[in-house]
Amino acid sequence: DVKVTQSSRYLVKRTGEKVFLECVQDMDHENMFWYRQDPGLGLRLIYFSYDVKMKEKGDIPEGYSVSREKKERFSLILESASTNQTSMYLCASSLVGFRGGRGSPYSNQPQHFGDGTRLSIL
Amino acid sequence: ILNVEQSPQSLHVQEGDSTNFTCSFPSSNFYALHWYRWETAKSPEALFVMTLNGDEKKKGRISATLNTKEGYSYLYIKGSQPEDSATYLCAFKARNQGGKLIFGQGTELSVKP
Repeated sequence: DVKVTQSSRYLVKRTGEKVFLECVQDMDHENMFWYRQDPGLGLRLIYFSYDVKMKEKGDIPEGYSVSREKKERFSLILESASTNQTSMYLCASSLVGFRGGRGSPYSNQPQHFGDGTRLSIL
Repeated sequence: ILNVEQSPQSLHVQEGDSTNFTCSFPSSNFYALHWYRWETAKSPEALFVMTLNGDEKKKGRISATLNTKEGYSYLYIKGSQPEDSATYLCAFKARNQGGKLIFGQGTELSVKP
């Protein structure tokens, strides 16, 4: 079974702190994703990556950055945490698809999720 | 902005009842439709990935249908059990959105014994 591991289940930080959320997957997946989930809203994509050192902005990238130095690890960084970043953060991974013989984020493989990190910014 | 709607938002049924939910998505530029189940304190789990109009998929007592021309998918649960209690998420992938999944808000199902 695919295992996606997020470094913390619960995290409390202060406004202005730099916060790192780590995600590791053990199935050699090319695609990795960071989402946040807030009450009344669906999962919203922050950033994703379909290869090492590659990153693409999702729908709500403001205030966040990411790092993908190794295939198995995708880090989400809150540069200067603010209270409106209090949320549940979910990491996911999936196999890449192929288009024209090249790796592509257009995969029909399901995404595999971690257990989530509930982050509170005080 | 692409919109994915799920209805109802929540559903309370008795054990043994059959139930169904709806996911509505844009009917143009369709690439794939995903269904996930998210139990409390666990990670979302993939149920189905559907790609072709008319697709029907089944996993135990859960099945799903897909109509890409009119932009909807139904998820059915036959003979609901308390362990089916979860939030069911659908997610739409378009051809022209860089491979992103757009999630609906989910349907929260509660099955009472």
